[in-house]
Amino acid sequence: QITLKESGPTLVKPTQTLTLTCTFSGFSLSTSGVGVGWIRQPPGKALEWLALIYWDDDKRYSPSLKSRLTITKDTSKNQVVLTMTNMDPVDTATYYCAHSAAAGTPYFDYWGQGTLVTVSS
Amino acid sequence: SYELTQPPSVSVSPGQTARITCSGDALPKQYAYWYQQKPGQAPVLVIYKDSERPSGIPERFSGSSSGTTVTLTISGVQAEDEADYYCQSADSSGTVVFGGGTKLTVL
Repeated sequence: QITLKESGPTLVKPTQTLTLTCTFSGFSLSTSGVGVGWIRQPPGKALEWLALIYWDDDKRYSPSLKSRLTITKDTSKNQVVLTMTNMDPVDTATYYCAHSAAAGTPYFDYWGQGTLVTVSS
Repeated sequence: SYELTQPPSVSVSPGQTARITCSGDALPKQYAYWYQQKPGQAPVLVIYKDSERPSGIPERFSGSSSGTTVTLTISGVQAEDEADYYCQSADSSGTVVFGGGTKLTVL
């Protein structure tokens, strides 16, 4: 059974750096083809993909946010960490991590429950 | 940047067929995926690789592809199908993209 859970601060101040951790179980991020991604959703708005890290440490970032994002993995801890610098109120959103199943076109078959991050002074 | 275009809303009566489209230039070369999201919940994958249905997803959900457009079809719509639906794909460099979402209203 695959599960993922996001953790991190619920409130950050503008200009601060956000660090979110995805802790997962039921799969290994050292298995060929597997990846973990981050997706966010501002209140009342659409899903927005942020980043994806694969079993071989290959990383992909949203072109519009690439300069602010870093994704890393700790295979031994079954964790993936996303950092986003220079937070702004427009970054207020629910942040999800999700399991990516296969090579080829990446997609997300298991999702965490999401964590709401509010950016406010 | 690569974009996927969906209609903002679709409305159907119970028992009718709902069709939600998603258009994108790379869709002839890349698979499309569909997610259902109900209020306050995480998205759920309902269609993968254009037309495959994950285990546990009702048979009334189906997907198809034609050129630069993919379509999610829900046959015999039920009240519980009212939700937001998102298509998702990627470009050739592996950059993931989601469509803007379609709100399905069951009248």
